[in-house]
Amino acid sequence: GESVGLHLPTLSVQEGDNSIINCAYSNSASDYFIWYKQESGKGPQFIIDIRSNMDKRQGQRVTVLLNKTVKHLSLQIAATQPGDSAVYFCAENPQAGTALIFGKGTTLSVSS
Amino acid sequence: DTGVSQDPRHKITKRGQNVTFRCDPISEHNRLYWYRQTLGQGPEFLTYFQNEAQLEKSRLLSDRFSAERPKGSFSTLEIQRTEQGDSAMYLCASSYRGYEQYFGPGTRLTVT
Repeated sequence: GESVGLHLPTLSVQEGDNSIINCAYSNSASDYFIWYKQESGKGPQFIIDIRSNMDKRQGQRVTVLLNKTVKHLSLQIAATQPGDSAVYFCAENPQAGTALIFGKGTTLSVSS
Repeated sequence: DTGVSQDPRHKITKRGQNVTFRCDPISEHNRLYWYRQTLGQGPEFLTYFQNEAQLEKSRLLSDRFSAERPKGSFSTLEIQRTEQGDSAMYLCASSYRGYEQYFGPGTRLTVT
């Protein structure tokens, strides 16, 4: 069925390191992907998105890479900070404007 | 505050009672989505509206769940005859063009 999964449930890094969070998706028809950050007790916060006609998109300290051949998505966070500690979800959108399909999330822990 | 707002933030109710949650989307956003999130999982889509039209409701968990958006602005989600399994975070999101979905802080429901 349609689902989005993440490779690792947890990731621990040191402050200042670069972090890479991975995600595999299953629906090859999906044309839009989003990364969200969710802190405890809060709603998901939009980080960055990418459409299927791109393979890379950069934001402030974050980069999303899309590999449609192997249906893989990754989020790279440069110079990770303690404030980046949260659960990160990738989500896919098989049809624009409709439901997002989320995976289980990766918990990022940043130690100083 | 120009973000998505939800009310109440927390709700404790007894099994069998009805509950109603409200969501106010970002101004000008014509699409509004409801999701449910249980502990350790990603958000699960329930239903969505474009203006006042409910375009997808087959994912509502049972006929005890219903949602409205009568004037195309705020929306309500009602759960009738609550069960302990309904305990979860209920999230609302809105979007303008149907791509970027911005989430509210959620309503945490506890059914005792």
